Amino acid sequence: QEQLVQSGAEVKKPGASVKVSCQASGYTFTTADINWVRQAPGQGLEWMGWMNPDNGDTGYAQKFQGRLTFTRDTSIGTAYMELSNLRSDDTAIYYCAIPNWGSGVGLEYWGQGTLVTVSS
Amino acid sequence: SYELTQPPSVSVSPGQTASITCSGETLGETYVSWYQQRPGQSPVLVIHQDNKRPSGIPERFSGSISGNTATLTISGTQAMDEADYYCQPWDARISYVFGPGTRVTVL
Repeated sequence: QEQLVQSGAEVKKPGASVKVSCQASGYTFTTADINWVRQAPGQGLEWMGWMNPDNGDTGYAQKFQGRLTFTRDTSIGTAYMELSNLRSDDTAIYYCAIPNWGSGVGLEYWGQGTLVTVSS
Repeated sequence: SYELTQPPSVSVSPGQTASITCSGETLGETYVSWYQQRPGQSPVLVIHQDNKRPSGIPERFSGSISGNTATLTISGTQAMDEADYYCQPWDARISYVFGPGTRVTVL
């Protein structure tokens, strides 16, 4: 059974960086794009970008260009999301997710989420 | 930036039908997915490719699309269906943006 397990909550100061991990199990890590989605307190879902774990290709939502970096370590089946120059409005739960196997459309498997709090 | 429109809230009595719409300029050109999110939980994919249910999703959830409007229908709504619902066109041109979400209340 596909499972995505994320790292624990983080508290960061404005201007700092945060790196969240997403460890995959139950499937071959390199066969599904990892997507990242965030949700600010009381707000909706916001798609951040994707990474192909096989070749490392990435795609970022326009608003995060220059601050967001996706990486992976295929030896341990883990993807990483690093967001730099943090601001208070980056306070959110960050999720990793992979698409539905059959169609490749829609995010079917989700991590449990990682709360990142940005506060001075 | 690309805009999607969903009603902020929908109320439904138990056993009745709830319909949630999602409108966007190019919605008819791509597949739409729908997610359910209960408080404090990760989202759950309930519909993909406009009208397909992933394994384990009850038959009372169905999806359709007409022109540039997609609709999620919950037939025979149950108390456990009370949640936020988000649409998402699967389209790289609009960065896989999510709709603003609809709160379904089962009265």
